[in-house]
Amino acid sequence: GAGVSQSPSNKVTEKGKDVELRCDPISGHTALYWYRQSLGQGLEFLIYFQGNSAPDKSGLPSDRFSAERTGGSVSTLTIQRTQQEDSAVYLCASSLEGRVGIRETQYFGPGTRLLVL
Amino acid sequence: SQQGEEDPQALSIQEGENATMNCSYKTSINNLQWYRQNSGRGLVHLILIRSNEREKHSGRLRVTLDTSKKSSSLLITASRAADTASYFCATVVNNAGNMLTFGGGTRLMVKP
Repeated sequence: GAGVSQSPSNKVTEKGKDVELRCDPISGHTALYWYRQSLGQGLEFLIYFQGNSAPDKSGLPSDRFSAERTGGSVSTLTIQRTQQEDSAVYLCASSLEGRVGIRETQYFGPGTRLLVL
Repeated sequence: SQQGEEDPQALSIQEGENATMNCSYKTSINNLQWYRQNSGRGLVHLILIRSNEREKHSGRLRVTLDTSKKSSSLLITASRAADTASYFCATVVNNAGNMLTFGGGTRLMVKP
């Protein structure tokens, strides 16, 4: 079946502009995660949605970052007033369940490479 | 901040040799997972080992977990050129939800 998809694959933007990154999880997966990977910080957790529960936003680096998940499926990560340090690959993952110990393996999308000039 | 450290940061071996990568972490975990990444894009899940397990096998992969030392190792036997990739360990910390905390990764190169 189809895996996790992300769009766009690449995004170049100017400092100060807002960007939206999209993630389509595997159909039927109740949990969705955003991570980012940068040269300086490695792979970092950003935010995670589990079913209808309030999202865990503990990894968001600043209030310029936000995410939503509409209808329990597609998610959008928004970065406002982008800065050069936001340049990274943004990875989305989904899992069948989000509770630890139960079908929790995460499947990753190909990522969106963001470059802020 | 990252939970774990991986060792070595880079490893170069000949095809047919075994590759061993190590991972250390800092807090109490529910499970530890290994992922593979090609060309800096999507991560592929390889294996998950729970905190009450000591060893797990999957094909040419063998993972060990020592919770007393807070460390894990990934062994790839009879390596192939196609195994060339970056390998990351990731932990699920106890009572902190299902998000992954990643180590810095090991870049493995297998020469034909």
